[in-house]
Amino acid sequence: QVQLVQSGAEVREPGASVKVSCKAFGYTFTGYYIHWVRQAPGQGLEWMGWINANSGGTIYEKKFQDRVTMTRDTSISTAYMELSRLRSDDTAVYYCARGYCSGDCYSDSWGQGTLVTVSS
Amino acid sequence: DIQMTQSPSSLSASVGDRVTITCRASQSIKNYLNWYQQKPGKAPRLLIYTASSLQSGVPSRFSGSGSGTDFSFTISSLQPEDIATYYCQQSYSAPHTFGQGTELGIK
Repeated sequence: QVQLVQSGAEVREPGASVKVSCKAFGYTFTGYYIHWVRQAPGQGLEWMGWINANSGGTIYEKKFQDRVTMTRDTSISTAYMELSRLRSDDTAVYYCARGYCSGDCYSDSWGQGTLVTVSS
Repeated sequence: DIQMTQSPSSLSASVGDRVTITCRASQSIKNYLNWYQQKPGKAPRLLIYTASSLQSGVPSRFSGSGSGTDFSFTISSLQPEDIATYYCQQSYSAPHTFGQGTELGIK
């Protein structure tokens, strides 16, 4: 069945970078988008951007534009989200989600989440 | 960016009650509106897409309606396992913004 498996929890110091991976199983990876969504402790969901797994094209939320890079490796059905110049308020659970788009776009399968802690 | 405003931010209801959550967009989003359920410590789960389409495997007590700027999400008969936070999300234009969430509890 469709499954997204993310890499494990990370701890980084302020100013460092982190790269989270998201490996897809059970479907044709290049037929969908991968969205990245984060959730700070006790807060709501925040959409960060997406990557078209086929073309590699990306759209980023403006607030992350200069710090985030989303990539994919189709040979191993894996998407990546790298966030640089980390700050304490980047501490959050980061989710990848499979995005299906046909007019409307929706995320019908989610990874388990990766906790990124930014602390000195 | 399109702003999504959910109400209420929290509510308590009894088992068997009909529960409705509303979501308003800051501009028309046609019917490009999705609803997710999130339980504590878990990833979100898609319940409703394109405003009113029930995702496969989701119980029929969940439903959605609306178009343009005003949308609603209804649980026809609240069950104990429905305790969660519910989010709307628009996908009309990037960024695909979420509402702030509605925390649903049992009375």
